Amino acid sequence: EVQLVESGGGLVQPGGSLRLSCAASGFTFSSYEMNWVRQAPGKGLEWVSYISSSGSTIYYADSVKGRFTISRDNAKNSLYLQMNSLRAEDTAVYYCAKVDIVATFDYWGQGTLVTVSS
Amino acid sequence: QSALTQPASVSGSPGQSITISCTGTSSDVGGYNYVSWYQQHPGKAPKLMIYDVSNRPSGVSNRFSGSKSGNTASLTISGLQAEDEADYYCSSYTSSSTLIFGGGTKLTVL
Repeated sequence: EVQLVESGGGLVQPGGSLRLSCAASGFTFSSYEMNWVRQAPGKGLEWVSYISSSGSTIYYADSVKGRFTISRDNAKNSLYLQMNSLRAEDTAVYYCAKVDIVATFDYWGQGTLVTVSS
Repeated sequence: QSALTQPASVSGSPGQSITISCTGTSSDVGGYNYVSWYQQHPGKAPKLMIYDVSNRPSGVSNRFSGSKSGNTASLTISGLQAEDEADYYCSSYTSSSTLIFGGGTKLTVL
């Protein structure tokens, strides 16, 4: 059974940093592309970042470019999102999502809440 | 890049059919057959319902169908059931090799 479990969320002050993790199991993690998607409270889904199976190709949404860094450790079956210079508008539930075929997310984690507030 | 345009809400009675539209541009919806639809119940993670415009993943009811014409994709749910009440989001691959979601549509089953 495919499982994606996010962790690392919490309360952080504006300008602060946080590192999210996503532990994957139930599939060959190193063979699949992964993404981070976020959802602000009461709002819609927003794509955040993509990483290829090897980690060699990475894309970011303009809203986080230069502040967030996606990475993965295939030996540990883990996906990460390093978030720096956090802003109030980054407050959201952050989901990791597995890519099945192009731009299709077939499995999602349960999400981890990040709150940016003083 | 702005979100794809979806109606904020739609409603229908049990047994009826509804359609949710998702309008983009030639740089996303109109340019690729990589449109997906997700269902999200309150407090839950999104669930894939349609991929590649019109394909259903295994386990998804055949009451759900997708289509596309030009820059607008559509999700149709036939034989509405109470359990279909949820938020629905479209998504599309873009010419920038990124992904964009729609603003979401709240489906109410009357």
